[in-house]
Amino acid sequence: NAGVTQTPKFRVLKTGQSMTLLCAQDMNHEYMYWYRQDPGMGLRLIHYSVGEGTTAKGEVPDGYNVSRLKKQNFLLGLESAAPSQTSVYFCASSYGAREAFFGQGTRLTVV
Amino acid sequence: AQSVTQPDIHITVSEGASLELRCNYSYGATPYLFWYVQSPGQGLQLLLKYFSGDTLVQGIKGFEAEFKRSQSSFNLRKPSVHWSDAAEYFCAVGARTGFQKLVFGTGTRLLVSP
Repeated sequence: NAGVTQTPKFRVLKTGQSMTLLCAQDMNHEYMYWYRQDPGMGLRLIHYSVGEGTTAKGEVPDGYNVSRLKKQNFLLGLESAAPSQTSVYFCASSYGAREAFFGQGTRLTVV
Repeated sequence: AQSVTQPDIHITVSEGASLELRCNYSYGATPYLFWYVQSPGQGLQLLLKYFSGDTLVQGIKGFEAEFKRSQSSFNLRKPSVHWSDAAEYFCAVGARTGFQKLVFGTGTRLLVSP
């Protein structure tokens, strides 16, 4: 049982480049989330999805886009990476209002 | 606005000593409450959660937490800390309905001295 899997685990981008982070869950959860973690700031919600084909903005959505074409996958895109997007990104999923399960994270550095 | 405060950025505890990590929240109603632990380079693992009922909840790895409505607090405790408990601990709150759009505290880093 893999739970929540994030791809890739590490990435270095140059300013202006684009990339997509993939999150896959095998728990048949309706809800999925993308957070970013920065020192001293905890985790902040970027975007979330309450079901296949639906997405919504979280606390810090600027510079990111998301898509949920399949229930098990939630993609986070950076169209034009900026150094301020250097962070650790976590995907999570949940069944209703119960606890969220987190992936192992993607460490992204934008130079 | 919803918020979670973890007033201690770092805490150092001797191995074998007791531990208490503080968490206070601001929320419109009583939320669901969680404590997560993050080891270096790892994701977040759920330690325990409070949904309803007994205000003292037991979690994994010997941790417990007590919900105090009057103080809007959900402090994490462990009677005897082990070196392997060194990690960062996050308190989080979530809504009781719908889905889990969690609000996290800024975390407390626990250091364990020999």
